Amino acid sequence: QSALTQPASVSGSPGQSITLSCTGTSSDVGGFNHVSWFQQHPGKAPQLIIYDVTNRPSGVSNRFSGSKSGNTASLTISGLQAEDEADYYCSSYTSSTTLVFGTGTEVTVL
Amino acid sequence: QVQLQESGPGLVKPSQTLSLTCTVSGDSISNDNYYWSWIRQPAGKGLEWIGHIYTSGITNYNPSLKTRVTISVDTSKNQFSLKLSSVTAADTAVYYCARGQRWLQTFDLWGRGTLVTVSS
Repeated sequence: QSALTQPASVSGSPGQSITLSCTGTSSDVGGFNHVSWFQQHPGKAPQLIIYDVTNRPSGVSNRFSGSKSGNTASLTISGLQAEDEADYYCSSYTSSTTLVFGTGTEVTVL
Repeated sequence: QVQLQESGPGLVKPSQTLSLTCTVSGDSISNDNYYWSWIRQPAGKGLEWIGHIYTSGITNYNPSLKTRVTISVDTSKNQFSLKLSSVTAADTAVYYCARGQRWLQTFDLWGRGTLVTVSS
């Protein structure tokens, strides 16, 4: 299975909004609403921030929001803060009953 | 508070079998709402799903690793394990165990990860 495609890097200034994309196929992102997003700070384990395209786990800031259109899912970070600087990965359930991750996006706060 | 902790050798020789165990504390591993997963990350690279197991014994594996991977569960010890055979340097990575939400198909809880290096 092929990894979902994410931009290698995205940057923004504090207070701005940025959007990260995650592109798959009709066999994964486009075919199911089981798309998740994870935040990973250096040297740390990933942390779930969005599940089922739009839902935030308890305790996750409402500055993080998710959406999906066709085969592409998106994560928007509003009111960008220094602490948001991290790597972000999407994941999706697939028609083969497997899971697949995205290639990852490094977010830089300028 | 539920926690996951990986354990196992940090160094494995090429062609040998990598073996890791994940111990779950704070809840029973037999909860049918979850499955138990292994995910790895080579240094400076992205996440790769290896596979997962339900406590019923049903497994799902990454097709690219399927011929070399075995995931098992020991409910009496509240543990699950990973075996990866015929390892090469390309299998050097941080290995994470994670709890998967059965109905949401996501990973809501992760271990801290353990580095496994394949080298002679």
